[in-house]
Amino acid sequence: EAGVAQSPRYKIIEKRQSVAFWCNPISGHATLYWYQQILGQGPKLLIQFQNNGVVDDSQLPKDRFSAERLKGVDSTLKIQPAKLEDSAVYLCASSLEILLSRFFGPGTRLTVL
Amino acid sequence: AQSVTQPDIHITVSEGASLELRCNYSYGATPYLFWYVQSPGQGLQLLLKYFSGDTLVQGIKGFEAEFKRSQSSFNLRKPSVHWSDAAEYFCAVAGEGGGGNKLTFGTGTQLKVEL
Repeated sequence: EAGVAQSPRYKIIEKRQSVAFWCNPISGHATLYWYQQILGQGPKLLIQFQNNGVVDDSQLPKDRFSAERLKGVDSTLKIQPAKLEDSAVYLCASSLEILLSRFFGPGTRLTVL
Repeated sequence: AQSVTQPDIHITVSEGASLELRCNYSYGATPYLFWYVQSPGQGLQLLLKYFSGDTLVQGIKGFEAEFKRSQSSFNLRKPSVHWSDAAEYFCAVAGEGGGGNKLTFGTGTQLKVEL
């Protein structure tokens, strides 16, 4: 079974630039999550989708972050414009349903200069 | 609000020695508890989980954890550590909110294994 795929794996940008991350969840997984993991901290949930609907985006900085999951499969997370404090690893995860175990992708390491 | 505390930021053990990583949680009802491991450049891998029933749960790679409600703890143990166990370990609690089972992670414990 293929795991959660993410791209790119690494991205370096300057502050105020825009960046987008892509996630392809495990086939058949209805629930998709984006987490932000700042160095030295545990992952923090940014947004959770159930199929193509948003379940929880309470910790998403909506003035600069946006995410979509068209057709309930792949998802993109965008930051526009980026700030220095956005430097982190962005993890995508998926699960069959909300109550079941999450499977994580390898993450995208973002560096904002 | 739910929270997780991992008191040890770094732990060093010798290969073959036993291991215990501490985790304390705060949650009003019966929690769902998890341990994840993260190797450098890798995503998080689920080691084990507790939902209900037997308070001693077995996981992959020889790990186990014990849920102690009276101590609000879910410590991870392994009787004999291998060099390949060097990684960062995260405890997490899932509870209500955001459609159910919002997962909150601790800050992690970095494990170093000396040969």
